Amino acid sequence: DVKVTQSSRYLVKRTGEKVFLECVQDMDHENMFWYRQDPGLGLRLIYFSYDVKMKEKGDIPEGYSVSREKKERFSLILESASTNQTSMYLCASSLPRLGTGDHEQYFGPGTRLTVT
Amino acid sequence: AQKITQTQPGMFVQEKEAVTLDCTYDTSDPSYGLFWYKQPSSGEMIFLIYQGSYDQQNATEGRYSLNFQKARKSANLVISASQLGDSAMYFCAKRNTPLVFGKGTRLSVIA
Repeated sequence: DVKVTQSSRYLVKRTGEKVFLECVQDMDHENMFWYRQDPGLGLRLIYFSYDVKMKEKGDIPEGYSVSREKKERFSLILESASTNQTSMYLCASSLPRLGTGDHEQYFGPGTRLTVT
Repeated sequence: AQKITQTQPGMFVQEKEAVTLDCTYDTSDPSYGLFWYKQPSSGEMIFLIYQGSYDQQNATEGRYSLNFQKARKSANLVISASQLGDSAMYFCAKRNTPLVFGKGTRLSVIA
């Protein structure tokens, strides 16, 4: 079974702190993604990566950065946390479906971040 | 931008009955894939079912099936014989690069 793990289930940080959210997958997937989930807004893509040291902006990259130094690990960084970044953060990884290019994504358990 | 619409923010269903969760999408892609995910209160996203746009038959996975109507651009999820454990948020998603998600439908199963 694919396993995607996230470093924390719950995190409380202060405004202005630098925050690291870590995600690790154990199935040698090329693709990794970071989403945030807010009530009524669904999942919104922050950043994604198709390969080591490669990153692409998603729909809402402002205030975030990412790092992918190893294939299995994709880190989300909040350079200076703000209260509007209080949210549930979900990491995912995927391989393309054979012959279609479709990406069935496997998700981690999520990190609920509160910025006070 | 590609858009996924789930018009039902919340739904209730009696245990053991069937329920349909709606999903419509817009696209000009000739070929695409559609996904449904379940998110229980614990937070993890669980993949349920996939439909390719060129698949001849509607996808089925156990109690889950997709009512795929390509001309109407809809891919509704049908859950048969609802169980209390089906209470969760359900998200429809379409392959873009990467997936684009709808805002979800909260399903509550009543005993």
